[in-house]
Amino acid sequence: QQQVKQSPQSLIVQKGGISIINCAYENTAFDYFPWYQQFPGKGPALLIAIRPDVSEKKEGRFTISFNKSAKQFSLHIMDSQPGDSATYFCAAINRAFTGGGNKLTFGTGTQLKVEL
Amino acid sequence: GAVVSQHPSWVICKSGTSVKIECRSLDFQATTMFWYRQFPKQSLMLMATSNEGSKATYEQGVEKDKFLINHASLTLSTLTVTSAHPEDSSFYICSARDRAAYEQYFGPGTRLTVT
Repeated sequence: QQQVKQSPQSLIVQKGGISIINCAYENTAFDYFPWYQQFPGKGPALLIAIRPDVSEKKEGRFTISFNKSAKQFSLHIMDSQPGDSATYFCAAINRAFTGGGNKLTFGTGTQLKVEL
Repeated sequence: GAVVSQHPSWVICKSGTSVKIECRSLDFQATTMFWYRQFPKQSLMLMATSNEGSKATYEQGVEKDKFLINHASLTLSTLTVTSAHPEDSSFYICSARDRAAYEQYFGPGTRLTVT
């Protein structure tokens, strides 16, 4: 029940195209859903995050769509650029949970490559 | 923005020796820090949760006597890999939770190679 399933595992998009990465969860207690971007040899960096009371959040070219009833959320990268080539991880957490230190549950990651 | 540093960024050590990795929150206080391990092309695997002034909580399957964690202050946590072996070679990443806010910020990672 703690799993977050992420797809696709890898994705190749042409420059200027839209990259879409999907995640699904089972635990309805999750109440915060961040996305992280990780470049090779670097730590993950918070990209954008959403709460379940919001269906969409946009920051620049990055948009999270959230479907609470389906327990799914997705990251859309508009006008994808070669510099967006990285690994993207979705995550989920129950912020109110006091046991175990409020751990992030990560998806398995998506390797995005944006080609010229 | 919130910055988390790690030192060293990479280290090579001989089998049987110990190595210490530091994780610091530079511009915020972190009551909780996390230590992760990441293998190539895989997701982050949580090793332990570290709370300031108390013992770390280790995930199932992580040897607490091998991976010693100390969270001595609100800005510093250390991970010591004791009696390192080649199978301990990995990318170790820490993160820190802002005491005032909620976000979790990650360090740049430490590449450990045991020869």
